[in-house]
Amino acid sequence: GQNIDQPTEMTATEGAIVQINCTYQTSGFNGLFWYQQHAGEAPTFLSYNVLDGLEEKGRFSSFLSRSKGYSYLLLKELQMKDSASYLCAVRDRAGTYKYIFGTGTRLKVLA
Amino acid sequence: EAQVTQNPRYLITVTGKKLTVTCSQNMNHEYMSWYRQDPGLGLRQIYYSMNVEVTDKGDVPEGYKVSRKEKRNFPLILESPSPNQTSLYFCASKDRGTDYGYTFGSGTRLTVV
Repeated sequence: GQNIDQPTEMTATEGAIVQINCTYQTSGFNGLFWYQQHAGEAPTFLSYNVLDGLEEKGRFSSFLSRSKGYSYLLLKELQMKDSASYLCAVRDRAGTYKYIFGTGTRLKVLA
Repeated sequence: EAQVTQNPRYLITVTGKKLTVTCSQNMNHEYMSWYRQDPGLGLRQIYYSMNVEVTDKGDVPEGYKVSRKEKRNFPLILESPSPNQTSLYFCASKDRGTDYGYTFGSGTRLTVV
């Protein structure tokens, strides 16, 4: 079956670094996406990985290992505004637009 | 401003009364999709469209209909809403290129009583 696992909640301190993990088991794989969703708002796109390795975008980085079915989102220099849910999503194969989302990780950043 | 516009933002309706949630995007995106978001279940895909007149079922299509007569619009139709369709609904659009994620609308919170 199709399955994406993420921790439900995490807590970290302002200024720190936090790593949010995502593991997936899908029938196919054609890219992994991370989204940020503040409470009551729409998700916004953060990053995309299709090849193994690390993609860096400012304070946010995302890593992918296809052989392990594993990704993480790394947030550096945490700010209070980073308190949000982080959603991992897999596009299961090329030529379709079927995306499978994880249930999200709720991150609380404490002062 | 590039955006996906959904209407209404909030809707309370009664069981069996047909309703339509509208979605429009101004980015000339080919791909559009509808999701519902429920606590503990995450975002689940209802229907998607890869272009005008091309639609396909997602993971939870039962009880919903869609149409894509124009590139910019992708309405979601509930012919006979039931209480289990109470949810937060998002419309999203995406460019053809795979490096970019979705742009989501602001969401429609639907309650069926």
